[in-house]
Amino acid sequence: DTAVSQTPKYLVTQMGNDKSIKCEQNLGHDTMYWYKQDSKKFLKIMFSYNNKELIINETVPNRFSPKSPDKAHLNLHINSLELGDSAVYFCASSQVDRAYEQYFGPGTRLTVT
Amino acid sequence: AQKITQTQPGMFVQEKEAVTLDCTYDTSDQSYGLFWYKQPSSGEMIFLIYQGSYDEQNATEGRYSLNFQKARKSANLVISASQLGDSAMYFCAMREVRGGADGLTFGKGTHLIIQP
Repeated sequence: DTAVSQTPKYLVTQMGNDKSIKCEQNLGHDTMYWYKQDSKKFLKIMFSYNNKELIINETVPNRFSPKSPDKAHLNLHINSLELGDSAVYFCASSQVDRAYEQYFGPGTRLTVT
Repeated sequence: AQKITQTQPGMFVQEKEAVTLDCTYDTSDQSYGLFWYKQPSSGEMIFLIYQGSYDEQNATEGRYSLNFQKARKSANLVISASQLGDSAMYFCAMREVRGGADGLTFGKGTHLIIQP
């Protein structure tokens, strides 16, 4: 069973489009995250959600919006895509009292042309 | 200023040798956590080991150990008896508690290549 899953695995789209990446975890965790890994492999946290509340928003453009319909899902919506948004996006989850164990999804490679 | 510094962009090591991957960190928090993740060429992020700032013993997980030197603010990863499958990117990361949820701050990574 996949603990943290993301769809799609690959996403190719044109500038200006709006797209979403879905994330689901079946671990019963109460905190979920989105990370961005750029072409130089640098990983940076974008958002975290704890009990449906946005806790961290690290100077991410407001074109990016996380949406959490329930505790097991944290989707990432991106509006007006730009070339610089091309990256691998990772979803992760953890339990608030065991945050040292962050489980990552397989990643979604977004390419904006 | 960088919070996590990994000074080795790339390393070549002979199979079966021990490897030390360097990591230094910067924080003013008293309570924090340090992590190492492995990212093979397939792209997934694999959790390797964790060290809490109050843990007195160095963390160990199989062939992985974390050489934690709090005064020097270093958290080096040691891989004993390296294997070809250890070839991957390795990331050091730190958790600082911010408002109740814990995001990780990552270093830039070390690309480790194990040679036969």
